[in-house]
Amino acid sequence: GGIITQTPKFLIGQEGQKLTLKCQQNFNHDTMYWYRQDSGKGLRLIYYSITENDLQKGDLSEGYDASREKKSSFSLTVTSAQKNEMAVFLCASSIRGDYAEQFFGPGTRLTVL
Amino acid sequence: GDSVTQTEGLVTLTKGLPVMLNCTYQTTYSPFLFWYVQHLNEAPKLLLKSSTDNKRTEHQGFYATLHKSSSSFHLQKSSVQLSDSALYFCALSEKGTQVVGQLTFGRGTRLQVYA
Repeated sequence: GGIITQTPKFLIGQEGQKLTLKCQQNFNHDTMYWYRQDSGKGLRLIYYSITENDLQKGDLSEGYDASREKKSSFSLTVTSAQKNEMAVFLCASSIRGDYAEQFFGPGTRLTVL
Repeated sequence: GDSVTQTEGLVTLTKGLPVMLNCTYQTTYSPFLFWYVQHLNEAPKLLLKSSTDNKRTEHQGFYATLHKSSSSFHLQKSSVQLSDSALYFCALSEKGTQVVGQLTFGRGTRLQVYA
């Protein structure tokens, strides 16, 4: 088994601030993902990385940057936090390949004042 | 484009009753469907998955059958328990796309079970 750790658990920012969320996995998975979860909207893909040194944009990449520092870690940066924004950011990982089960972390809850 | 549609919003039930949460999808590729469950303040976890047409798949008392003819993968349980209260997501992965492993999620259905 393995585990995905996300830090911080809660993140409070100010409008316009640059905020970074971190994710670590010990599954030894090649592929990692960042999703945004809003109430009533499901999970939307922000960025993913098929393997170390790879970076791909998802449907919701505008306003975000990502970095795959090494195989086990994947960071997401909110480039300019939007006022009154509230969402949960979920990190996930999987083996490389079609139909691979994704394993999720517990999430980072973002609130922008 | 490709999409997943689920039973909207909140489903409330008394324990012991059966439940069906609807999921339909649209794709031009060969589909692989997943159901994920997310309990309050926890990470989503895989509940079921299937790519085989007309074959029932089961796990933890839940079951679903992929029907390609109707583009559906409804989640069912014959007798819900209090512990089944959670948010349920249907997700689609497509073979033949450029994007390896990408999932398209439905909006989620919240199941609330009462005693």
